[in-house]
Amino acid sequence: GENVEQHPSTLSVQEGDSAVIKCTYSDSASNYFPWYKQELGKGPQLIIDIRSNVGEKKDQRIAVTLNKTAKHFSLHITETQPEDSAVYFCAATPTYNNNDMRFGAGTRLTVKP
Amino acid sequence: EAGVAQSPRYKIIEKRQSVAFWCNPISGHATLYWYQQILGQGPKLLIQFQNNGVVDDSQLPKDRFSAERLKGVDSTLKIQPAKLEDSAVYLCASSAGLVNEQFFGPGTRLTVL
Repeated sequence: GENVEQHPSTLSVQEGDSAVIKCTYSDSASNYFPWYKQELGKGPQLIIDIRSNVGEKKDQRIAVTLNKTAKHFSLHITETQPEDSAVYFCAATPTYNNNDMRFGAGTRLTVKP
Repeated sequence: EAGVAQSPRYKIIEKRQSVAFWCNPISGHATLYWYQQILGQGPKLLIQFQNNGVVDDSQLPKDRFSAERLKGVDSTLKIQPAKLEDSAVYLCASSAGLVNEQFFGPGTRLTVL
């Protein structure tokens, strides 16, 4: 089955700097890659996703890139703000069915004011 | 629109005791999921329902875990008897269908002593 590895496990940046979180996956058939943000005491929330027919997707200050050949994808957050502090999870699935989705271990991002 | 509701938010039990968690999905969502999130790890799917039928329970430890969604709306997840390694956050999520965006509840934090 799919195996997703995520790094770094913790990331601390200064407000206004950029943050990058990277994930690799094992199943070359994976074709859907969502990113979730989990704030303290809350469930994960989808923030951006990318499908395998696209190399990059951007939504305001966040962007995701996908390299299918290398089997890795990354989350980029620019102009970070303290409210970006949270745990971020990447995920991958070889189908569009949610039950096949596998999550990374998470990255705890801290944005220092 | 109300989100996914879960109760209780916290539960502390002794090992070998029983515990039950309740989830009320977003109104109209046919698909419901239960995840286990161990500290420092990403969510792991335990069971997925489509209406009141089970779609996938391949990762559910059936010797001690059970779940039901009798009327296709609310769901309960039960652990009997609990083990120390069951300490985790149990997340419920729902989606409009098998491939749609999942919306997560706040989770129930279980501590087994």
